[in-house]
Amino acid sequence: AQSVAQPEDQVNVAEGNPLTVKCTYSVSGNPYLFWYVQYPNRGLQFLLKYITGDNLVKGSYGFEAEFNKSQTSFHLKKPSALVSDSALYFCAVRSAMDSNYQLIWGAGTKLIIKP
Amino acid sequence: SAVISQKPSRDICQRGTSLTIQCQVDSQVTMMFWYRQQPGQSLTLIATANQGSEATYESGFVIDKFPISRPNLTFSTLTVSNMSPEDSSIYLCSARTGLNTEAFFGQGTRLTVV
Repeated sequence: AQSVAQPEDQVNVAEGNPLTVKCTYSVSGNPYLFWYVQYPNRGLQFLLKYITGDNLVKGSYGFEAEFNKSQTSFHLKKPSALVSDSALYFCAVRSAMDSNYQLIWGAGTKLIIKP
Repeated sequence: SAVISQKPSRDICQRGTSLTIQCQVDSQVTMMFWYRQQPGQSLTLIATANQGSEATYESGFVIDKFPISRPNLTFSTLTVSNMSPEDSSIYLCSARTGLNTEAFFGQGTRLTVV
């Protein structure tokens, strides 16, 4: 069965420090991986995706993520956190073998950036 | 990218009534989805809205409770029927254009049933 794990319910980081939000996955075949952010009372916004190619993917708002096939991980990173990065972050995956369009969603990680 | 307009943004409804949520995309999309989300929690897929055919519902969701329409490639509605307080949640519309493309989301509808 396909699954996504975000092992941390909450991550606390001081402003200016690097941040990492973890995501591991389990799918059959090659994965398509996505990160989304949700600000309070808003819909989800797309940050970045890995489909194929370079393992390091750069996305919106200075975020990047590294695809690690051996560790089945796709951790979200940013070199220097901003208070405005505080939000709920979701990792999602689907298998390249699947013919449907559905994404499997992680439980979400609340990121809190303290001034 | 696609821009999705979802309305209403929030509503407070009496139990036993129904609410229809509308989702308008600014471009033609292949697939549209309806999700439910409790505040601060993950997304639960209700159904996939198929253009020109009946929606495909996930386990635990039925057409009588959550009828869905998709009359064309840019529009869909979700109705929450015979509402109870347990239906209080955030409902999200989403669309994708291809198998390896990202999903886009509406702003969500925050529903409270009293």
